[in-house]
Amino acid sequence: QKEVEQNSGPLSVPEGAIASLNCTYSDRGSQSFFWYRQYSGKSPELIMFIYSNGDKEDGRFTAQLNKASQYVSLLIRDSQPSDSATYLCAARRDSSYKLIFGSGTRLLVRP
Amino acid sequence: DVKVTQSSRYLVKRTGEKVFLECVQDMDHENMFWYRQDPGLGLRLIYFSYDVKMKEKGDIPEGYSVSREKKERFSLILESASTNQTSMYLCASSLSGMGSPLHFGNGTRLTVT
Repeated sequence: QKEVEQNSGPLSVPEGAIASLNCTYSDRGSQSFFWYRQYSGKSPELIMFIYSNGDKEDGRFTAQLNKASQYVSLLIRDSQPSDSATYLCAARRDSSYKLIFGSGTRLLVRP
Repeated sequence: DVKVTQSSRYLVKRTGEKVFLECVQDMDHENMFWYRQDPGLGLRLIYFSYDVKMKEKGDIPEGYSVSREKKERFSLILESASTNQTSMYLCASSLSGMGSPLHFGNGTRLTVT
């Protein structure tokens, strides 16, 4: 079992819809969670991070964390074609320097 | 803004060559990392460093070594390049602390022929 799991996709949504990206993790010691966006041929860029149960909103993006279910999600409201990219979920133990990454979910936003 | 600079965007080397990948960050971050990224395998940690001259192995250190003589610079060394080391190499840096994200460089696409 991978430590951080994501559906590889592609997840296809129409422009203006809500895209929901999901991530599960196996290590209960994981404390902080990160979402990165990666365009093809480019390096990952941070979208947001979360470490408390519940929701955290930043513009069109909302991260959700449920530690009991070991589940993290990213919602993108009013999806745009420019949101088409691979989204990487990452987890970190409080005592560790390392981020463990999932393999990423490819999102396609259809005009 | 944090800037992480990798010295080469594209590199082509021959099997058996010694290869140096350089990474510099300008934000006084304690932690620096080298990952490789391959299709279907995601990002895998090769080595990381949490202080000058300190290093720890990641998940796939075989065939690689690292050097951190100054806080801002972290080098990845392929002692004898092999074709299975053809990959995208990503350097990253971060502060210490639970909520500290990794900031990535632009990546070096290395081809070993």
